[in-house]
This record gives sequence, structure tokens and C-alpha cells, in this order.
Amino acid sequence: IAGITQAPTSQILAAGRRMTLRCTQDMRHNAMYWYRQDLGLGLRLIHYSNTAGTTGKGEVPDGYSVSRANTDDFPLTLASAVPSQTSVYFCASSDTLAAPDTQYFGPGTRLTVL
Amino acid sequence: AQSVTQLGSHVSVSEGALVLLRCNYSSSVPPYLFWYVQYPNQGLQLLLKYTTGATLVKGINGFEAEFKKSETSFHLTKPSAHMSDAAEYFCAVSARRAGNMLTFGGGTRLMVKP
Repeated sequence: IAGITQAPTSQILAAGRRMTLRCTQDMRHNAMYWYRQDLGLGLRLIHYSNTAGTTGKGEVPDGYSVSRANTDDFPLTLASAVPSQTSVYFCASSDTLAAPDTQYFGPGTRLTVL
Repeated sequence: AQSVTQLGSHVSVSEGALVLLRCNYSSSVPPYLFWYVQYPNQGLQLLLKYTTGATLVKGINGFEAEFKKSETSFHLTKPSAHMSDAAEYFCAVSARRAGNMLTFGGGTRLMVKP
């Protein structure tokens, strides 16, 4: 089934630890995004990539890094996790040529930093 | 810069009653407007979108929304609520000239009473 997969589904992490959230899409979309969802704040863009090999900062990039080595994968890394990074993280993708106004979302990763 | 305000973090309606979820946006350029729905423990699904043309747009599951430029609003409605409509709803805006970077509102949780 075509779509976006995210791993892990959930994770509890000690503060100071490094963590990589994985995101893979099989729709050959050129653009990918990472959002965090916090109660009352909706979803906020962390980082994005318009095409393989390029990345950009979103609204809340501090403490996070991304890479886009190929079209399908867009991992999000927390170099040294802090409790304020406790959130639900969603990966999304879009085909900005065929359907520039539509993003497809993964099921999310629930991260707790203690 | 864009922003989205969703009035009411929680809305409760009876089954069969009208659903009205309010969304106001701010955008310095002509916007694209979206409504997404999130069911418990799932990612976001696109409900409907306004890009150009007809200001009344119809989406899935009987929902519709009307773009009112003079009021900078994009309220979501459904004539008759169903129990399965209980979910969280997010309004989002993107600026056409900025590709499809989405800015989300804080979300409205819809509860449907039997």
C-alpha cells in the first residue's frame, strides 16, 4: 500500500540521548516535511526538503537536524534530547509539481523525553 | 507571513445537529486554505481545500467550507453530525508564492453526543 511509514511508533527517551525518527515514503514525492504536534498549538513545521539533497528550516528547527540522501527517506535527528521535545512528530510528503497544494501525512511518532 | 486562528478548541454537538468549526486566517498574499481531520492515534487526512475558483468547496464525508475573502474566514460545516465525525480538525493556510508550506491552526476537537 502506497504511503508514508514512520518508525518508531512511540519512544521514551532519557534527556541528553540522541534519537533518530525515521520516515519513508513510496510515492516518489519530491518534497518532504517534519512537523511536531503540541496541544493547542496545532502542527508546526520543523524542517522540510523540496528535493533530494536539499533541506530547509521551518518554524521550530532548533535542536533538530534532517538529511535527504534520496527521494524516499527523510530522517529527523535529535542530537541531545530535552524534555521540551516531548511531542508527536509527523512526517509528510507532497508532489509539488503535480499537486503542489496537497500534503500526505504519516501515522506519527509519539516521543517522550524524561 | 501567515497565521490561522481556530475559534474554540472544543466543540460539542448532538448527533444530527449542524457542525460549524470556525477558522480565520491572515495572509499577505492570496492563500490556499485547507481543512484536515485527525482521528485518534492517526495522522492527518485532507478533508477539503480551496485553491482558486468556486469559493464553496465540498470535501469528503459531507463536509464543506466557504472561502470568504472579506471576512478572511474559511469555516467548516456539515448539515448533520454523525458519531463517526468525532475527531480533531485542523485549518491550515499556505501562501501560493511560497510553495506549499503549511501553517496550521491550533485545532478544534469535535465531540458528537448521541
